[in-house]
Amino acid sequence: AQKVTQAQTEISVVEKEDVTLDCVYETRDTTYYLFWYKQPPSGELVFLIRRNSFDEQNEISGRYSWNFQKSTSSFNFTITASQVVDSAVYFCALSEPLNAGNMLTFGGGTRLMVKP
Amino acid sequence: NAGVMQNPRHLVRRRGQEARLRCSPMKGHSHVYWYRQLPEEGLKFMVYLQKENIIDESGMPKERFSAEFPKEGPSILRIQQVVRGDSAAYFCASSPRGTRGETQYFGPGTRLLVL
Repeated sequence: AQKVTQAQTEISVVEKEDVTLDCVYETRDTTYYLFWYKQPPSGELVFLIRRNSFDEQNEISGRYSWNFQKSTSSFNFTITASQVVDSAVYFCALSEPLNAGNMLTFGGGTRLMVKP
Repeated sequence: NAGVMQNPRHLVRRRGQEARLRCSPMKGHSHVYWYRQLPEEGLKFMVYLQKENIIDESGMPKERFSAEFPKEGPSILRIQQVVRGDSAAYFCASSPRGTRGETQYFGPGTRLLVL
């Protein structure tokens, strides 16, 4: 069965520090998709990135970067020079189309607190 | 370019009442997904619908819960005879084509509180 683990339940950093949020997944399939979503204090879920299992190239978008390592089944998310507005709960999610249809399996989330 | 709309944003019900949660997908999207987030937990899949069809309801509780997505109008998640354990945030997401692994865009959620 597919599973997503975010071992860090809560991280606290001071503004301008770099922070990495870990995500480890389990899947039986060779074709799968990984996602990151952000849930700010206002409560909505904001899509950040989608990555398929065949594309292991790391991605950078501004202060955000993602490191996908198939060998360790990890899809980690790094925020460089964190800001107070980055404070949120971040969720990693997995879609395993052949075995689980279109459902997303979410990790438990990591609450990031960025202090000024 | 409106995103996924959900209403109401907050809903209070007493035990035994019915709760109706509405979701309008993004323009051009015909696939809708419902997830439930219990306090301090991640989201759990409930049901996946296309217009007039339930595609996957493997995460839906067998009793008291139902969902529909009619030809016209929003998708509705209906909870009959609510109990305190139904208190949660219910999120709706939509995607355009329903292709495997497609990105799902989420609405703001409905926070249900059962007294």
